[in-house]
Amino acid sequence: EVQLVETGGGLIQPGGSLRLSCAASGFTVSSNYMSWVRQAPGKGLEWVSVIYSGGSTYYADSVKGRFTISRDNSKNTLYLQMNSLRAEDTAVYYCARDVMTLAGGGNYYYMDVWGKGTTVTVSS
Amino acid sequence: SSELTQDPAVSVALGQTVRITCQGDSLRSYYASWYQQKPGQAPVLVIYGKNNRPSGIPDRFSGSSSGNTASLTITGAQAEDEADYYCNSRDSSGNPHVVFGGGTKLTVL
Repeated sequence: EVQLVETGGGLIQPGGSLRLSCAASGFTVSSNYMSWVRQAPGKGLEWVSVIYSGGSTYYADSVKGRFTISRDNSKNTLYLQMNSLRAEDTAVYYCARDVMTLAGGGNYYYMDVWGKGTTVTVSS
Repeated sequence: SSELTQDPAVSVALGQTVRITCQGDSLRSYYASWYQQKPGQAPVLVIYGKNNRPSGIPDRFSGSSSGNTASLTITGAQAEDEADYYCNSRDSSGNPHVVFGGGTKLTVL
Protein backbone atom coordinates (compact mmCIF):
# COMPACT_ATOMS: atom_id res chain seq x y z
CA GLU A 1 0.00 0.00 0.00
CA VAL A 2 1.28 3.45 -0.92
CA GLN A 3 1.44 5.52 2.25
CA LEU A 4 3.09 8.56 3.84
CA VAL A 5 3.35 9.06 7.61
CA GLU A 6 4.54 12.34 9.09
CA THR A 7 6.04 12.66 12.56
CA GLY A 8 7.98 15.22 14.53
CA GLY A 9 5.47 17.96 15.16
CA GLY A 10 4.99 19.58 18.53
CA LEU A 11 5.04 22.76 20.57
CA ILE A 12 8.14 24.87 20.08
CA GLN A 13 9.12 28.34 21.22
CA PRO A 14 9.70 31.15 18.71
CA GLY A 15 13.23 31.02 17.37
CA GLY A 16 13.47 27.29 17.97
CA SER A 17 14.09 24.41 15.58
CA LEU A 18 12.19 21.28 14.70
CA ARG A 19 12.69 18.45 12.22
CA LEU A 20 9.72 16.78 10.59
CA SER A 21 9.94 13.32 9.09
CA CYS A 22 7.80 11.68 6.44
CA ALA A 23 8.19 7.91 6.10
CA ALA A 24 7.08 6.46 2.80
CA SER A 25 5.95 2.93 2.02
CA GLY A 26 4.91 1.32 -1.23
CA PHE A 27 7.11 3.55 -3.39
CA THR A 28 10.61 5.05 -3.46
CA VAL A 29 11.00 8.63 -2.23
CA SER A 30 14.17 9.25 -4.20
CA SER A 31 12.49 8.36 -7.50
CA ASN A 32 9.78 10.97 -7.05
CA TYR A 33 9.25 14.65 -6.54
CA MET A 34 8.20 15.19 -2.92
CA SER A 35 6.67 18.27 -1.33
CA TRP A 36 5.80 19.70 2.03
CA VAL A 37 2.51 21.60 2.23
CA ARG A 38 1.19 23.33 5.32
CA GLN A 39 -2.16 24.61 6.53
CA ALA A 40 -2.43 27.22 9.25
CA PRO A 41 -5.47 26.97 11.54
CA GLY A 42 -8.59 27.92 9.62
CA LYS A 43 -6.60 28.77 6.50
CA GLY A 44 -5.94 27.26 3.09
CA LEU A 45 -3.16 25.07 1.78
CA GLU A 46 0.28 26.63 1.34
CA TRP A 47 3.07 24.94 -0.56
CA VAL A 48 6.33 25.02 1.45
CA SER A 49 9.05 23.13 -0.40
CA VAL A 50 9.81 20.49 -3.02
CA ILE A 51 12.71 18.14 -3.66
CA TYR A 52 13.07 16.71 -7.13
CA SER A 53 14.17 13.18 -7.87
CA GLY A 54 17.47 14.60 -9.11
CA GLY A 55 18.00 16.34 -5.76
CA SER A 56 17.16 19.95 -6.64
CA THR A 57 15.30 21.77 -3.90
CA TYR A 58 12.99 24.80 -3.94
CA TYR A 59 11.24 26.81 -1.26
CA ALA A 60 8.38 29.21 -0.82
CA ASP A 61 9.60 32.73 -0.17
CA SER A 62 8.05 32.60 3.32
CA VAL A 63 10.44 29.85 4.46
CA LYS A 64 13.49 30.30 2.24
CA GLY A 65 16.67 30.47 4.29
CA ARG A 66 14.99 28.98 7.37
CA PHE A 67 13.70 25.58 6.22
CA THR A 68 15.63 22.76 4.52
CA ILE A 69 14.10 19.82 2.71
CA SER A 70 16.09 16.60 2.42
CA ARG A 71 15.70 12.85 2.15
CA ASP A 72 17.38 9.70 3.38
CA ASN A 73 17.28 7.14 0.61
CA SER A 74 18.26 4.27 2.92
CA LYS A 75 15.27 5.03 5.16
CA ASN A 76 12.95 6.02 2.32
CA THR A 77 12.12 9.10 4.36
CA LEU A 78 11.64 12.79 3.58
CA TYR A 79 12.57 15.50 6.08
CA LEU A 80 11.90 19.16 6.73
CA GLN A 81 14.35 20.92 9.00
CA MET A 82 12.74 24.08 10.33
CA ASN A 83 14.89 26.72 12.00
CA SER A 84 14.17 30.21 13.36
CA LEU A 85 10.53 29.29 13.78
CA ARG A 86 7.92 32.03 13.99
CA ALA A 87 4.35 32.11 15.24
CA GLU A 88 3.17 32.26 11.63
CA ASP A 89 4.76 28.85 10.98
CA THR A 90 2.08 27.30 13.20
CA ALA A 91 0.25 24.83 10.97
CA VAL A 92 -0.46 21.25 10.10
CA TYR A 93 2.38 20.07 7.87
CA TYR A 94 1.67 17.51 5.18
CA CYS A 95 4.10 15.65 2.96
CA ALA A 96 2.95 14.67 -0.50
CA ARG A 97 4.15 12.85 -3.58
CA ASP A 98 4.25 15.10 -6.62
CA VAL A 99 3.77 14.16 -10.23
CA MET A 100 4.78 16.47 -13.05
CA THR A 101 4.20 15.66 -16.69
CA LEU A 102 5.33 17.87 -19.53
CA ALA A 103 3.77 16.67 -22.75
CA GLY A 104 2.58 17.98 -26.05
CA GLY A 105 -0.98 17.32 -25.01
CA GLY A 106 -0.61 19.56 -22.00
CA ASN A 107 1.40 19.94 -18.84
CA TYR A 108 0.21 18.96 -15.45
CA TYR A 109 1.39 18.95 -11.87
CA TYR A 110 -0.43 17.25 -9.06
CA MET A 111 0.01 15.61 -5.66
CA ASP A 112 -1.43 12.12 -5.66
CA VAL A 113 -0.43 10.79 -2.23
CA TRP A 114 -0.70 12.73 1.03
CA GLY A 115 0.13 11.93 4.60
CA LYS A 116 -2.28 12.67 7.45
CA GLY A 117 -0.16 15.56 8.66
CA THR A 118 1.71 16.56 11.80
CA THR A 119 0.94 19.67 13.84
CA VAL A 120 3.54 22.32 14.59
CA THR A 121 2.70 25.01 17.13
CA VAL A 122 5.10 27.88 17.62
CA SER A 123 4.30 29.70 20.82
CA SER A 124 5.92 30.90 24.01
CA SER B 1 5.03 34.22 -8.42
CA SER B 2 1.70 33.13 -9.90
CA GLU B 3 -1.56 33.13 -7.99
CA LEU B 4 -4.71 31.06 -8.30
CA THR B 5 -8.05 32.64 -7.43
CA GLN B 6 -11.13 30.76 -6.22
CA ASP B 7 -14.50 31.89 -4.94
CA PRO B 8 -14.50 31.50 -1.14
CA ALA B 9 -17.85 29.75 -0.94
CA VAL B 10 -20.37 28.02 -3.19
CA SER B 11 -23.61 26.21 -2.38
CA VAL B 12 -25.63 23.61 -4.26
CA ALA B 13 -28.91 21.83 -3.68
CA LEU B 14 -28.70 18.11 -3.11
CA GLY B 15 -28.61 16.28 -6.45
CA GLN B 16 -27.93 19.38 -8.50
CA THR B 17 -24.84 20.34 -10.48
CA VAL B 18 -22.23 22.78 -9.22
CA ARG B 19 -19.14 24.28 -10.84
CA ILE B 20 -16.15 25.51 -8.85
CA THR B 21 -13.71 27.72 -10.72
CA CYS B 22 -10.04 28.60 -10.44
CA GLN B 23 -8.32 31.43 -12.31
CA GLY B 24 -4.67 32.18 -12.82
CA ASP B 25 -2.01 32.80 -15.43
CA SER B 26 -0.26 29.52 -14.66
CA LEU B 27 -3.34 27.68 -15.95
CA ARG B 28 -2.44 28.76 -19.47
CA SER B 29 0.62 26.49 -19.16
CA TYR B 30 -0.49 23.79 -16.72
CA TYR B 31 -3.77 21.99 -16.19
CA ALA B 32 -5.15 22.48 -12.72
CA SER B 33 -5.44 19.65 -10.27
CA TRP B 34 -8.23 19.61 -7.68
CA TYR B 35 -8.29 18.43 -4.08
CA GLN B 36 -11.14 17.75 -1.68
CA GLN B 37 -10.55 18.34 2.01
CA LYS B 38 -13.01 17.49 4.75
CA PRO B 39 -12.62 18.86 8.30
CA GLY B 40 -9.75 17.30 10.18
CA GLN B 41 -8.60 15.28 7.18
CA ALA B 42 -5.78 15.49 4.66
CA PRO B 43 -6.52 16.68 1.13
CA VAL B 44 -7.53 14.07 -1.43
CA LEU B 45 -6.79 14.39 -5.14
CA VAL B 46 -10.05 14.27 -7.13
CA ILE B 47 -9.09 15.56 -10.60
CA TYR B 48 -5.76 15.92 -12.40
CA GLY B 49 -4.61 16.65 -15.92
CA LYS B 50 -7.09 17.35 -18.65
CA ASN B 51 -9.90 15.47 -16.87
CA ASN B 52 -8.57 12.45 -15.01
CA ARG B 53 -9.96 10.90 -11.85
CA PRO B 54 -7.81 8.81 -9.51
CA SER B 55 -9.09 5.38 -8.65
CA GLY B 56 -11.99 5.54 -6.22
CA ILE B 57 -13.18 9.03 -7.13
CA PRO B 58 -16.83 8.99 -8.29
CA ASP B 59 -17.51 9.88 -11.90
CA ARG B 60 -19.75 12.75 -10.83
CA PHE B 61 -16.50 14.71 -10.47
CA SER B 62 -15.11 16.17 -13.70
CA GLY B 63 -12.68 18.86 -14.76
CA SER B 64 -12.36 21.28 -17.63
CA SER B 65 -10.17 24.17 -18.66
CA SER B 66 -10.28 27.20 -20.93
CA GLY B 67 -7.61 29.85 -21.15
CA ASN B 68 -6.69 30.92 -17.65
CA THR B 69 -9.70 29.30 -15.98
CA ALA B 70 -10.12 25.75 -14.72
CA SER B 71 -13.37 24.29 -13.45
CA LEU B 72 -14.34 21.41 -11.23
CA THR B 73 -17.88 20.20 -11.85
CA ILE B 74 -19.87 17.95 -9.56
CA THR B 75 -22.87 16.52 -11.37
CA GLY B 76 -25.52 15.38 -8.91
CA ALA B 77 -23.91 16.64 -5.71
CA GLN B 78 -24.21 14.40 -2.67
CA ALA B 79 -24.18 15.30 1.00
CA GLU B 80 -20.74 13.74 1.36
CA ASP B 81 -19.35 16.18 -1.22
CA GLU B 82 -19.62 19.02 1.28
CA ALA B 83 -15.99 20.01 1.79
CA ASP B 84 -13.29 22.51 0.92
CA TYR B 85 -11.93 22.28 -2.61
CA TYR B 86 -8.51 23.54 -3.68
CA CYS B 87 -7.00 23.94 -7.12
CA ASN B 88 -3.29 23.74 -7.72
CA SER B 89 -0.72 23.92 -10.49
CA ARG B 90 2.92 24.69 -11.03
CA ASP B 91 4.05 28.28 -11.20
CA SER B 92 4.65 29.25 -14.80
CA SER B 93 6.33 32.58 -14.15
CA GLY B 94 9.81 31.08 -14.16
CA ASN B 95 9.86 29.93 -10.54
CA PRO B 96 9.81 26.14 -10.07
CA HIS B 97 7.25 26.64 -7.35
CA VAL B 98 3.83 25.15 -6.73
CA VAL B 99 0.73 27.26 -6.18
CA PHE B 100 -2.62 26.59 -4.52
CA GLY B 101 -5.84 28.49 -4.82
CA GLY B 102 -7.34 29.91 -1.68
CA GLY B 103 -9.99 27.20 -1.53
CA THR B 104 -13.75 27.05 -2.01
CA LYS B 105 -16.09 25.93 0.75
CA LEU B 106 -18.85 23.86 -0.85
CA THR B 107 -22.12 23.59 1.04
CA VAL B 108 -24.69 21.00 -0.04
CA LEU B 109 -28.17 22.18 0.90
